[in-house]
Amino acid sequence: GENVEQHPSTLSVQEGDSAVIKCTYSDSASNYFPWYKQELGKRPQLIIDIRSNVGEKKDQRIAVTLNKTAKHFSLHITETQPEDSAVYFCAAKGSSYKLIFGSGTRLLVRP
Amino acid sequence: GAGVSQTPSNKVTEKGKYVELRCDPISGHTALYWYRQSLGQGPEFLIYFQGTGAADDSGLPNDRFFAVRPEGSVSTLKIQRTERGDSAVYLCASSLGARTGADETQYFGPGTRLLVL
Repeated sequence: GENVEQHPSTLSVQEGDSAVIKCTYSDSASNYFPWYKQELGKRPQLIIDIRSNVGEKKDQRIAVTLNKTAKHFSLHITETQPEDSAVYFCAAKGSSYKLIFGSGTRLLVRP
Repeated sequence: GAGVSQTPSNKVTEKGKYVELRCDPISGHTALYWYRQSLGQGPEFLIYFQGTGAADDSGLPNDRFFAVRPEGSVSTLKIQRTERGDSAVYLCASSLGARTGADETQYFGPGTRLLVL
């Protein structure tokens, strides 16, 4: 069945350093890959997304890359700040409308 | 504008009871989704509505779970004979509803935290 694997499960970085979170997906028909940030007790919030006709997308300190051949996509956060601390989820959408989520990465940015 | 809203924010019930969880999508969004999020996990798909009809209910775990969206806007997730294993955060999301493009972006509500004692 459809599956998205995400790693690492936890990531601790020093403020100002970069953070990278990686995901792989199983459904080759997947064509839309959003990333959500979820703070404790809050709703998941979309931070960036990428579609399969694009290899890379950047929005200020956040970038996402997609390798369709390898079925990998990654989130890159540069110049991390304490307010970036949260749980980040990757997801993939294939031929259906549902999102398949990874298991999450808990990012801690140390001041 | 207003985002997706869900009520109640918290629900505590006893094993065997019936519960209803409500979702108000963003105005004009034709697609509505229910997900369930267990502690430390990513959201898991339950059911998807396009308009009034359930287009995909493949994620509902068993026949104790049922959802409706009678007028194509508000949706209610209904759980019969609740079990302790049903304890989780139930998230609702909505999107404009197109298959591709910016209209497929899903916006989440704050969730209902269900605890079955």
